[in-house]
Amino acid sequence: DMQMTQSPSSLSASVGDRVTITCRASQNIRSYLNWYQRKPGKAPKLLIYGASSLQSGVPSRFSGSGSGTDFTLTITSLQPEDFASYFCQQSYSTPNTFGQGTRLEI
Amino acid sequence: QVQLQESGPGLVKPSGTLSLTCAVSGGSISTTNWWSWVRQPPGKGLEWIGEIYYTGSTNYNPSLKSRVTISVDKSENQFSLNLSSVTAADTAVYFCARKVYDFPYYFDYWGQGTLVTVSS
Repeated sequence: DMQMTQSPSSLSASVGDRVTITCRASQNIRSYLNWYQRKPGKAPKLLIYGASSLQSGVPSRFSGSGSGTDFTLTITSLQPEDFASYFCQQSYSTPNTFGQGTRLEI
Repeated sequence: QVQLQESGPGLVKPSGTLSLTCAVSGGSISTTNWWSWVRQPPGKGLEWIGEIYYTGSTNYNPSLKSRVTISVDKSENQFSLNLSSVTAADTAVYFCARKVYDFPYYFDYWGQGTLVTVSS
């Protein structure tokens, strides 16, 4: 299975900060990389698909970049509602696999 | 707005069968999308279990394939997961999700998830 290594596993930041989360694939997955946000008790939310496309309705402070094996999710000017967990997912090969997640804390 | 809601027992006995249903509202299950199950054991990452198309075609994670059955009920606009011969390792939060089957194949809607504990 494709291995997805996400870092850091946890991150402390403040409102207004800029943060970056990285995801590395064990093989070239082109741009088949998606990012999600998860809050306790809520449905996960798609943020970025195709490595860099912003899902409709997602604030523009979220952005994604990368291709091949290395990808980043950047959140500029953190807002209180952004403190959550984030995870990446590769859809290049079956089974689709996920990163271990990053917990973003205040 | 499409919504998905998981339902089913929160406690299953070891060696038993875990059965969950995902009700889809706000849209038809008979679309070009696929319908998936994903789980997250406590303290671990997410694991894709499998998916189904409204015609009944399925894809499963090879690691679970021998124990998994996913089915669809178009009349009820829902799909279901059966996982047999469960052990404590199957304790997890189970999510259902809609998968857009066009580049780059992403999950655009998810349920809230339901915790299933395997214990006697």
